[in-house]
Amino acid sequence: NAGVTQTPKFRVLKTGQSMTLLCAQDMNHEYMYWYRQDPGMGLRLIHYSVGEGTTAKGEVPDGYNVSRLKKQNFLLGLESAAPSQTSVYFCASSSTGTRSETQYFGPGTRLLVL
Amino acid sequence: GQQVMQIPQYQHVQEGEDFTTYCNSSTTLSNIQWYKQRPGGHPVFLIQLVKSGEVKKQKRLTFQFGEAKKNSSLHITATQTTDVGTYFCAYYGGATNKLIFGTGTLLAVQP
Repeated sequence: NAGVTQTPKFRVLKTGQSMTLLCAQDMNHEYMYWYRQDPGMGLRLIHYSVGEGTTAKGEVPDGYNVSRLKKQNFLLGLESAAPSQTSVYFCASSSTGTRSETQYFGPGTRLLVL
Repeated sequence: GQQVMQIPQYQHVQEGEDFTTYCNSSTTLSNIQWYKQRPGGHPVFLIQLVKSGEVKKQKRLTFQFGEAKKNSSLHITATQTTDVGTYFCAYYGGATNKLIFGTGTLLAVQP
């Protein structure tokens, strides 16, 4: 039982390049989330999904797209990377989206955009 | 809108000293969660508080939820080097009604 995994662990991009971050969970969770973490700002929600085939915008969605084609996977795409997107990206999942629910986080992807 | 401030941003203690971080909201919170993130690691759930005035303990960690449900605290007694990391409070709210994280308190423990 691996929990939540993320690929890749680290990536360097040039401005304007595109890439996809992959998140996978093996806990059969319905809800999945993408956050970014910047120094002094905590974690901010980018996009989330309440189930297979659904996605919704979070607090800071601009410049990102997501897809949830399979229940266990949640993809985060950057179509044209910008230096402002340099950050640590965390994926998380929860069984449901209720207010009492614990979120389980992946190990993170460190992205540097030059 | 709802705002949560977490203080202090950073605290450096000697091993064995106590440590407290506070989470203060301008509005009433339905519940609050606490997470710990080790350096280079990912956030890990510690606990959730739901009731007004609730106090929960986990070994040397004591969590409190204020009577008005507008503030919460995490207190560590006799810190150890294994306590190093960033402690986040989190609550459900905002436009998405999803989990919102405080800015975190980074704890450094000197042996």
